[in-house]
Amino acid sequence: IAGITQAPTSQILAAGRRMTLRCTQDMRHNAMYWYRQDLGLGLRLIHYSNTAGTTGKGEVPDGYSVSRANTDDFPLTLASAVPSQTSVYFCASSDSAPTGELFFGEGSRLTVL
Amino acid sequence: GQNIDQPTEMTATEGAIVQINCTYQTSGFNGLFWYQQHAGEAPTFLSYNVLDGLEEKGRFSSFLSRSKGYSYLLLKELQMKDSASYLCAVKDSNYQLIWGAGTKLIIKP
Repeated sequence: IAGITQAPTSQILAAGRRMTLRCTQDMRHNAMYWYRQDLGLGLRLIHYSNTAGTTGKGEVPDGYSVSRANTDDFPLTLASAVPSQTSVYFCASSDSAPTGELFFGEGSRLTVL
Repeated sequence: GQNIDQPTEMTATEGAIVQINCTYQTSGFNGLFWYQQHAGEAPTFLSYNVLDGLEEKGRFSSFLSRSKGYSYLLLKELQMKDSASYLCAVKDSNYQLIWGAGTKLIIKP
């Protein structure tokens, strides 16, 4: 089934640990995104990539890094997790058209203690 | 700054009609999106408006007025499965999506 796969679905992590959230899409979309969603707030963009080999910073990039080695994969890394990074993380992709809708993964629920 | 406003929560009755409003102030405008998000799930695309007017898609319609910075999502013949959060998002001049916090819609029998 075409779409976006995220892993892990859920994770509890000790503060200070390093964590990578994985995201893979099979729709050959050029653009990919990482969002965090917190109660009472809209989706906030962490990092994005318009095409393989390029990345950009979103609204809340501090403490996170990404890479885009190929079209399909867009991992998000927390170098040293802090409790404020407790959130639900969504990976999304879209084609390059300005009107392109976003397709979301199922989300990764991360708890940092 | 850029801002998207929508009501936090609304309640409606099964079979009725509900209108969810969204107002926006953004640097530029390149389209407005509505997404549906059921609890614990990912958002899914509902509609896209870039020109003024009404776009109808089955039981759901979306309206846009660019001069007023205003949109609404109209849901007709409400069903229990329509209980969800509805997210309004605007693409700004850089084609970045600015998201509202979402409207939680509760449907009562």
